Amino acid sequence: AQTVTQSQPEMSVQEAETVTLSCTYDTSESDYYLFWYKQPPSRQMILVIRQEAYKQQNATENRFSVNFQKAAKSFSLKISDSQLGDAAMYFCARGGATNKLIFGTGTLLAVQP
Amino acid sequence: DAGVIQSPRHEVTEMGQEVTLRCKPISGHDYLFWYRQTMMRGLELLIYFNNNVPIDDSGMPEDRFSAKMPNASFSTLKIQPSEPRDSAVYFCASSLDGAGWVEQFFGPGTRLTVL
Repeated sequence: AQTVTQSQPEMSVQEAETVTLSCTYDTSESDYYLFWYKQPPSRQMILVIRQEAYKQQNATENRFSVNFQKAAKSFSLKISDSQLGDAAMYFCARGGATNKLIFGTGTLLAVQP
Repeated sequence: DAGVIQSPRHEVTEMGQEVTLRCKPISGHDYLFWYRQTMMRGLELLIYFNNNVPIDDSGMPEDRFSAKMPNASFSTLKIQPSEPRDSAVYFCASSLDGAGWVEQFFGPGTRLTVL
């Protein structure tokens, strides 16, 4: 099955600290892409970061970075210097040869002041 | 650009009624996707269009659901008749390309409640 698994339903982090959200996936494709989307209370999904599977270098976008372990099919998101505005539901997703994104079940991140 | 626009933002209806959700994609985007989000099933792709043509509707739950895209700037998702289990948030998203590496831009969603 082509699945995406997020094993942490909820996470909490102190403001200014670092937190890592986990994601694993299953695919038979050799070329695919991985995404982290953020869904704040406003509901609108926003792309946080994207990783091409053929690239060994981990993607980074400001305070957001990923740890991509292709052999382990693992794609975790690290948020550094957490801010109150980072509080949201985070979804891991996989895209590939088809035009479909397969989403995980999400991790609800709380940021404590 | 205003982004993907969806209407209404909230819809409350009674079982058996027809519901129509609307979406305006970002101008120039050739792909349009309809998703449903529930606590039980998460985010599911219902159908997507390429250049106004439905490409894959394998996620549409049953015949009560239908989707159309009469032109490049408008799409509808219709449920007739509606049932309480259809209660969910429905998202529309669009992208420049349908390839699996392209960012999809999501609308704010329509929260549907069927009583």
